[in-house]
Amino acid sequence: DAGVIQSPRHEVTEMGQEVTLRCKPISGHDYLFWYRQTMMRGLELLIYFNNNVPIDDSGMPEDRFSAKMPNASFSTLKIQPSEPRDSAVYFCASSLHTYEQYFGPGTRLTVT
Amino acid sequence: AQSVSQHNHHVILSEAASLELGCNYSYGGTVNLFWYVQYPGQHLQLLLKYFSGDPLVKGIKGFEAEFIKSKFSFNLRKPSVQWSDTAEYFCAVNTPGGGNKLTFGTGTQLKVEL
Repeated sequence: DAGVIQSPRHEVTEMGQEVTLRCKPISGHDYLFWYRQTMMRGLELLIYFNNNVPIDDSGMPEDRFSAKMPNASFSTLKIQPSEPRDSAVYFCASSLHTYEQYFGPGTRLTVT
Repeated sequence: AQSVSQHNHHVILSEAASLELGCNYSYGGTVNLFWYVQYPGQHLQLLLKYFSGDPLVKGIKGFEAEFIKSKFSFNLRKPSVQWSDTAEYFCAVNTPGGGNKLTFGTGTQLKVEL
């Protein structure tokens, strides 16, 4: 299996622009998670889905952030408009029933 | 809500030294416990996990962890570290009734010197 796939791996954008991060979970996994990692705040859970349905989005910073999972093999995290404080590494992870999560390589986002 | 504390933020060791990284969690009920490792520039990888049974858990690359329920601890150990163990280590916890939501500690940066 190719593991969790994320794209792009690096994204540099200007403040105010829309940013879309993409994730393909491991085939057959029924949970998908979006995390953000920064030096200041460490690893934070933003939102997670079970069977494509958002279960807990309490970690989403504000209305500028939105996430969707239109099907079992694809999810997006959108930031609109982006701000410099959104600069971070965004990880996607997936799991199957158990609590063992498999992480993707991450997207390093820089907002200037 | 549960929380996870990792008291050692930065650890520097020489090769062949023994390692112990502390992890404490705050939750009175049943928990599942994990240690993840993040090598420089890479994603998180699972080192080991505890769900139930033997409180001494062995993971990959010679790592082990011991669950001590009375101390709410799940410390990570390795008898002899290698330079390639240089990485950041994260302890994480979730509860069986809490969905599949992991709570991570702040991480411990380990540097192993030759």
